[in-house]
Amino acid sequence: AQSVSQHNHHVILSEAASLELGCNYSYGGTVNLFWYVQYPGQHLQLLLKYFSGDPLVKGIKGFEAEFIKSKFSFNLRKPSVQWSDTAEYFCAVNWPGTASKLTFGTGTRLQVTL
Amino acid sequence: DAGITQSPRHKVTETGTPVTLRCHQTENHRYMYWYRQDPGHGLRLIHYSYGVKDTDKGEVSDGYSVSRSKTEDFLLTLESATSSQTSVYFCAISTTGETDTQYFGPGTRLTVL
Repeated sequence: AQSVSQHNHHVILSEAASLELGCNYSYGGTVNLFWYVQYPGQHLQLLLKYFSGDPLVKGIKGFEAEFIKSKFSFNLRKPSVQWSDTAEYFCAVNWPGTASKLTFGTGTRLQVTL
Repeated sequence: DAGITQSPRHKVTETGTPVTLRCHQTENHRYMYWYRQDPGHGLRLIHYSYGVKDTDKGEVSDGYSVSRSKTEDFLLTLESATSSQTSVYFCAISTTGETDTQYFGPGTRLTVL
């Protein structure tokens, strides 16, 4: 079955530290990839997405992600986190032929301390 | 933000009662989705719609039904609520399907006692 894995469940970082959150998906071939962020008490917001082209994708708020097809991975990065980045981050994958249905990872809770 | 509203935003109900959640969009998007969010599971797709009166099941559809009689409204019904359906429910919309992005509503927190 198609699945998405986020191995980091809870990450605690100090402000200005660098961030990398892992995301792996189970099925090869063409995929569409997304990172969403959910701030406390809010709905999901799109951070960035990859459909094709340059595998290094830049999103909002200084986030970027790199698609590595050979590793079935789409890791999220930010060189210097801020306290306001405290949130839950979800990786999601859409496989072609699935009517845009998204399969989500279980999420990573990021806590940034001052 | 995408023009998506969900109602009610919070609901507490008792086991065995029917519950209907509403998702309303002002974007005229073709695709609409219902997800539930639970700790340790991320978001899981319940049902989705690819047009008026066109719906299909998702990953966790048991115990849920949906209806879409107008482009702008997508209803999720729990025919007889159970405690395992206590969750946060999110509606999402997208324009064209596979090469499109889903945008999410504010969510409905449902508690079944």
